[in-house]
Amino acid sequence: EDQVTQSPEALRLQEGESSSLNCSYTVSGLRGLFWYRQDPGKGPEFLFTLYSAGEEKEKERLKATLTKKESFLHITAPKPEDSATYLCAVQAGLTGGGNKLTFGTGTQLKVEL
Amino acid sequence: DTAVSQTPKYLVTQMGNDKSIKCEQNLGHDTMYWYKQDSKKFLKIMFSYNNKELIINETVPNRFSPKSPDKAHLNLHINSLELGDSAVYFCASSQGRGPLYGYTFGSGTRLTVV
Repeated sequence: EDQVTQSPEALRLQEGESSSLNCSYTVSGLRGLFWYRQDPGKGPEFLFTLYSAGEEKEKERLKATLTKKESFLHITAPKPEDSATYLCAVQAGLTGGGNKLTFGTGTQLKVEL
Repeated sequence: DTAVSQTPKYLVTQMGNDKSIKCEQNLGHDTMYWYKQDSKKFLKIMFSYNNKELIINETVPNRFSPKSPDKAHLNLHINSLELGDSAVYFCASSQGRGPLYGYTFGSGTRLTVV
C-alpha cells in the first residue's frame, strides 16, 4: 500500500529563518509527487508536481526537490503569509491506483515576526 | 467565479439523518473526486468519476453514495449518518483521467453529526 510520511508535524519559524519540510514515501511506481498548501478553513491549493528523482521546482520562496525515497520543500526567508499546512501526496502508477492521490498528514508551518 | 464550489459549507445534523453535499466545477475538467479529511488533517479518497463513470470506489460504507449527473457535477449522499462521519468533505477536479496536472479543490463541507 502506498504510504506518505511528513515531518515535522509542526514547525515554528521566525521571519527570514529558512528551513525544510520532509516527505518520505513508499509507492509502487511513482507517477508524480505533489505539494499542496492548505490554509485554515480552505481546500488544499496546488503548488508543485515532481515526476522523477533529481527534479526541482521553484515558486517564490518555495523550492521542491525529489529523490527516490523522499521530497523536500525548502522555504527560503519565510514570511508570516507562508504560514499554512503543507501537504505532500503521491500518485502511483503500477498498482491500478493511478487515478488517485495518497496524502500525508501535513506539516503545520507558523512563521512569526 | 469559483472554480470548484461545494454546498453547504457547514452541515450540522443528528445521527440517523440522511444528507447530501453538492459539488460543481466550471473548469471543464473531466474527473471529479470526493475526499474526506479527518480531525488529524488526513485526506483520504472516497470516490472518483470520469465523465460520469465511477472509476474509484474506495472502501467506504455503502451508506455513502456518489452521483454524477454530468461531468461538471458530483454529489455525495449519505444515509443514516453516524458520529464517525463527522469530518470535512472536499470535492476536487482534475484534467484528464487522473491528477497529474494537480487537483483543484473546493473549500470543503464541514459535517458535524450530533
